[in-house]
Amino acid sequence: DTAVSQTPKYLVTQMGNDKSIKCEQNLGHDTMYWYKQDSKKFLKIMFSYNNKELIINETVPNRFSPKSPDKAHLNLHINSLELGDSAVYFCASSLRHGDTEAFFGQGTRLTVV
Amino acid sequence: GESVGLHLPTLSVQEGDNSIINCAYSNSASDYFIWYKQESGKGPQFIIDIRSNMDKRQGQRVTVLLNKTVKHLSLQIAATQPGDSAVYFCAENIPGNQFYFGTGTSLTVIP
Repeated sequence: DTAVSQTPKYLVTQMGNDKSIKCEQNLGHDTMYWYKQDSKKFLKIMFSYNNKELIINETVPNRFSPKSPDKAHLNLHINSLELGDSAVYFCASSLRHGDTEAFFGQGTRLTVV
Repeated sequence: GESVGLHLPTLSVQEGDNSIINCAYSNSASDYFIWYKQESGKGPQFIIDIRSNMDKRQGQRVTVLLNKTVKHLSLQIAATQPGDSAVYFCAENIPGNQFYFGTGTSLTVIP
């Protein structure tokens, strides 16, 4: 069983579209995250949720809106996609907020054309 | 913002040799430093962490050294194997916040 699973794995879409990436963890963790990894492998946190509550929002355009229906799910919705949004997006979870060990999903490669 | 950096973007080592991956940090308030490994096509995977009041910590085939005087962190991998080929990230954890990753070092193990 996959601990942190995100769908889809690949997403190709046109500029201006709206898309969502889903994430689920079956580890019973309290905290979930979204990270963005650019083409140079730079990994930057976007959001952190603890028990469905937003903890961290790291200077992300408001076109990005996370939604956590329960503590096992954290979805990422992106409006009006831009070319610069092309990246690999990783979902992750940790037992508690601030834990150093986070478990990452396999990533979603988003390509905006 | 980004404050964690790596000295070398790429590193090639012979199988069986030891590898040393270096990292510089700038935030003195960091309470933990962490190393992650990312294999091609996969998400990062936790390797080891070290608390800021320690200067050395050992794991299975890995050792992390912390030098707070010069704000330097290193990951040593003993007897490097082909399966160690990956991108290695250091990260610093700032209390009350979240950990921030550096750009990464790509390690290639030559058989």
